[in-house]
Amino acid sequence: DTGVSQDPRHKITKRGQNVTFRCDPISEHNRLYWYRQTLGQGPEFLTYFQNEAQLEKSRLLSDRFSAERPKGSFSTLEIQRTEQGDSAMYLCASSGSLGNGYTFGSGTRLTVV
Amino acid sequence: GESVGLHLPTLSVQEGDNSIINCAYSNSASDYFIWYKQESGKGPQFIIDIRSNMDKRQGQRVTVLLNKTVKHLSLQIAATQPGDSAVYFCAEPANPSGSARQLTFGSGTQLTVLP
Repeated sequence: DTGVSQDPRHKITKRGQNVTFRCDPISEHNRLYWYRQTLGQGPEFLTYFQNEAQLEKSRLLSDRFSAERPKGSFSTLEIQRTEQGDSAMYLCASSGSLGNGYTFGSGTRLTVV
Repeated sequence: GESVGLHLPTLSVQEGDNSIINCAYSNSASDYFIWYKQESGKGPQFIIDIRSNMDKRQGQRVTVLLNKTVKHLSLQIAATQPGDSAVYFCAEPANPSGSARQLTFGSGTQLTVLP
């Protein structure tokens, strides 16, 4: 296990379509985070899991967004009825119980056309 | 509201010179701060962190300084190399009293190393 993996790396979709992204965290990490990053900006928090429980959600996470981590390992982020404003880099990060820093994945770049 | 911000959006330095990237924060309750490096097409990479009970911490070629009096954080990179070219973010906990450790990031400084 060399780090956090995200799939796909790039996704182009038509407005109104649904998309799903996958994140595989570092195996021993129990905490998993989703962030969104637009061009020229820092990452913005979307949601947080501790094991399989989704404990926090940002107001940025509209009802078109849903995230799951069913077995406390990998996580999925689904966006329904995509809009052009959803175009961004979606970053997943994981961390253990100790320490403050995350390990980020390389992200999924979503383009809604 | 509370925010993390950066003084300069871009910084260009000659290869071999030292770089200093600055960050202002406003949440005096933050108990740690982290610097991340993000190269084009990649996710942010942890560089170094510092707890609020420290004023300096050194890593390999990097030093972070924390001035709590003026709520200022800086990242110093010694002998800057071409591979240091990236966007650098400072980050602080969004909710210092919480357990989730979600982070609030600044908008970043683009460091360009000139040959």
